[in-house]
Amino acid sequence: EPEVTQTPSHQVTQMGQEVILRCVPISNHLYFYWYRQILGQKVEFLVSFYNNEISEKSEIFDDQFSVERPDGSNFTLKIRSTKLEDSAMYFCASRGQAHNQPQHFGDGTRLSIL
Amino acid sequence: AQSVSQHNHHVILSEAASLELGCNYSYGGTVNLFWYVQYPGQHLQLLLKYFSGDPLVKGIKGFEAEFIKSKFSFNLRKPSVQWSDTAEYFCAVSLGSNTGKLIFGQGTTLQVKP
Repeated sequence: EPEVTQTPSHQVTQMGQEVILRCVPISNHLYFYWYRQILGQKVEFLVSFYNNEISEKSEIFDDQFSVERPDGSNFTLKIRSTKLEDSAMYFCASRGQAHNQPQHFGDGTRLSIL
Repeated sequence: AQSVSQHNHHVILSEAASLELGCNYSYGGTVNLFWYVQYPGQHLQLLLKYFSGDPLVKGIKGFEAEFIKSKFSFNLRKPSVQWSDTAEYFCAVSLGSNTGKLIFGQGTTLQVKP
């Protein structure tokens, strides 16, 4: 079964540094998402992406965050200047065109900000 | 704001016991409902989904869930759990909008004792 893949599995970064989290969605999927889960808290929606643009973003997704689909297969989340509170598990998800398609999730990237 | 709540944070059962995990959501419009499972060290996997039709939904591994619209609930059930069901279970809702973003409950950790 096709899978969503995320790299790296664990990223350790100094506060203030830029970080890019990478995702390869399932190849025929058209909707892409990023979520995060701070330790001990709920999985929270960050952003959805469709047709090469952001379709919805949460209030968490401020100017420090950006997403890109640079080459038709990768889907990246960039955090420009990381803060301690950005430490979390970041999940990428994708789904197909049909309305009743569920989202498929990657294994996540654990981001640790020092 | 829309929210999803799961009543049980940590459930411990013996093998062969019956399981019911509660999930309630707050939204008056059309919703799509999901249960995801996360086995230790793995990604979120879809257990079952409800979009429309029969409110009793059957999923993988013997799980089922019932959508009760009047109670805004989507409880997960399994008649007889196995040790391999030890995992974290997430209820999630997407609204009738096209972006499909998921709103998650806080998750329930299920521990099944052999």
